[in-house]
Amino acid sequence: AQTVTQSQPEMSVQEAETVTLSCTYDTSENNYYLFWYKQPPSRQMILVIRQEAYKQQNATENRFSVNFQKAAKSFSLKISDSQLGDTAMYFCAFEMGGTGANSKLTFGKGITLSVRP
Amino acid sequence: DVKVTQSSRYLVKRTGEKVFLECVQDMDHENMFWYRQDPGLGLRLIYFSYDVKMKEKGDIPEGYSVSREKKERFSLILESASTNQTSMYLCASSPGPESTDTQYFGPGTRLTVL
Repeated sequence: AQTVTQSQPEMSVQEAETVTLSCTYDTSENNYYLFWYKQPPSRQMILVIRQEAYKQQNATENRFSVNFQKAAKSFSLKISDSQLGDTAMYFCAFEMGGTGANSKLTFGKGITLSVRP
Repeated sequence: DVKVTQSSRYLVKRTGEKVFLECVQDMDHENMFWYRQDPGLGLRLIYFSYDVKMKEKGDIPEGYSVSREKKERFSLILESASTNQTSMYLCASSPGPESTDTQYFGPGTRLTVL
């Protein structure tokens, strides 16, 4: 079974600074996908960024980028130029490659990020 | 835009009641999911469905059942609600059949069982 570990329950960052959220996972699969989801206070969960394990290049989405280290099974999220709207809970998630029953996500416990003005 | 809606934002039920949580998506997605979210535990998968009338157990199916009679609707059923089922319940859908598809989440239902 796959596991996802987010060891930091909370982090805080000053507005406009950079912060990195950590995530490690455990799997024996070679084909899989990794995600970061964001859940703002009292709002819906949305996708921030995703990474295909077969791609060596790290994914980026505007101010969000990942550091994907496949051998180390590490998948950290870097948020540059932090904004007040980045205050949220962030979840790292894993999905096996394939279809049907392999479409399910395994989530970490989440990290609460607070951006200070 | 993809829209996933859940029948209630807040729900209060009594122990032993039968509870129905409804989820509807409007984008013809193949896959639908039910999670519960608890502080310090993250999201845990209860059940999912990758086709109409198909269902698969997730990590914590005990005490729950599901129904998917139509593609757009996925219902979570608590046959006899208990206090340990007090939680936030999140529904999600994804296009399928490829597993790279993003999951889109509903706003959640905060269920309190007294």
